[in-house]
Amino acid sequence: QVQLVESGGGLVKPGGSLRLSCAASGFTFSDYYMSWIRQAPGKGLEWVSYISSSGSTIYYADSVKGRFTISRDNAKNSLYLQMNSLRAEDTAVYYCARAPGDLGQYDYWGQGTLVTVSS
Amino acid sequence: QSALTQPRSVSGSPGQSVTISCTGTSSDVGGYNYVSWYQQHPGKAPKLMIYDVSKRPSGVPDRFSGSKSGNTASLTISGLQAEDEADYYCCSYAGSYTPFGGGTKLTVL
Repeated sequence: QVQLVESGGGLVKPGGSLRLSCAASGFTFSDYYMSWIRQAPGKGLEWVSYISSSGSTIYYADSVKGRFTISRDNAKNSLYLQMNSLRAEDTAVYYCARAPGDLGQYDYWGQGTLVTVSS
Repeated sequence: QSALTQPRSVSGSPGQSVTISCTGTSSDVGGYNYVSWYQQHPGKAPKLMIYDVSKRPSGVPDRFSGSKSGNTASLTISGLQAEDEADYYCCSYAGSYTPFGGGTKLTVL
């Protein structure tokens, strides 16, 4: 069965960095686009970034552009999000999600990893 | 990059029907037939309920249906059940990004 397991969240100071990982299993990872989507405490969902199946196409939300970098390793069935220059407003649960195409629709989600940016 | 607009809350009694709207623009909802809806229970990950405006993934009850008119998409839940109480989010393809709606809390009275 499809599984997405995020890791790497934690407490970090403003201006700091963190790298999230998402381990995928139960499907051919290299066939799918993948996204990171976040949810601040008590708030709604916010799309962060997505990457094409080969990694050749990448998009970011304006709120993270220039600070976050999405990447993938198809050999390791893994998705990553490098987060630099973190701000308090980046505090959220970060989900990785599978997209069966580049159409912004997400059929499987991980359980999420919490990132807290605070001094 | 603007979020889609949803009502903050809706409510209905068991057995009734409710409809949640999702309003965007011609650059997202109105421009493509790629609207999806997600159900999220407290402390859980979102679950895909509707894709391509009106298609249901395997396992989603046919009580859930989707539609679109112009720049507004809608999710209708008929025969409300207690377990339908949750937050619902719409999402639309918009080219280089995928905006979500702000979410609607459904209360089953």
